Amino acid sequence: GENVEQHPSTLSVQEGDSAVIKCTYSDSASNYFPWYKQELGKRPQLIIDIRSNVGEKKDQRIAVTLNKTAKHFSLHITETQPEDSAVYFCAASRQGNMLTFGGGTRLMVKP
Amino acid sequence: GAVVSQHPSWVICKSGTSVKIECRSLDFQATTMFWYRQFPKQSLMLMATSNEGSKATYEQGVEKDKFLINHASLTLSTLTVTSAHPEDSSFYICSASRNVYEQYFGPGTRLTVT
Repeated sequence: GENVEQHPSTLSVQEGDSAVIKCTYSDSASNYFPWYKQELGKRPQLIIDIRSNVGEKKDQRIAVTLNKTAKHFSLHITETQPEDSAVYFCAASRQGNMLTFGGGTRLMVKP
Repeated sequence: GAVVSQHPSWVICKSGTSVKIECRSLDFQATTMFWYRQFPKQSLMLMATSNEGSKATYEQGVEKDKFLINHASLTLSTLTVTSAHPEDSSFYICSASRNVYEQYFGPGTRLTVT
């Protein structure tokens, strides 16, 4: 089955700096890669996703890049703000199938 | 759009009793719903995949007789934790699939078994 590894497990940045979280996956058939933000005690919220037919996607301060050959994808957050502090999860799936999640990254943005 | 509700949001029960958790997609039909379990400071672990009108598919290591899943309609799936024990205490989250890609999560149910 699919295995998703996520790094780093914790990340502390200064407000205004950029944050990068990286994930690798094992199943070359995976073609959907979402990123979720989870605040303490709350549901994971889909913040951005990418499908395997594109290499990069951007939405305001958030971007995701995908390297299918290397089987890794990354989340980039620019101009971080304290409200970006949360746990971020990457995931991978084949079309229509279950999501396999990475271990999570606890992002702390210091004001 | 793509709102998923879950009820109850928290429940405390005694060891040996059963607890039912409901997951509803409020503004879309979900042919597939998923049930996850999340321990503190850990990732989400898929327990089972539920398709409307058919038996759920359980992940390895998940006891299907203990975690009963019923997907009665395109907007409702239920998870029943039978004969709950303290080790079943966890955060249970459902998600509903709106299309072949996207999953939207419910707010979760915190179960505490005393």
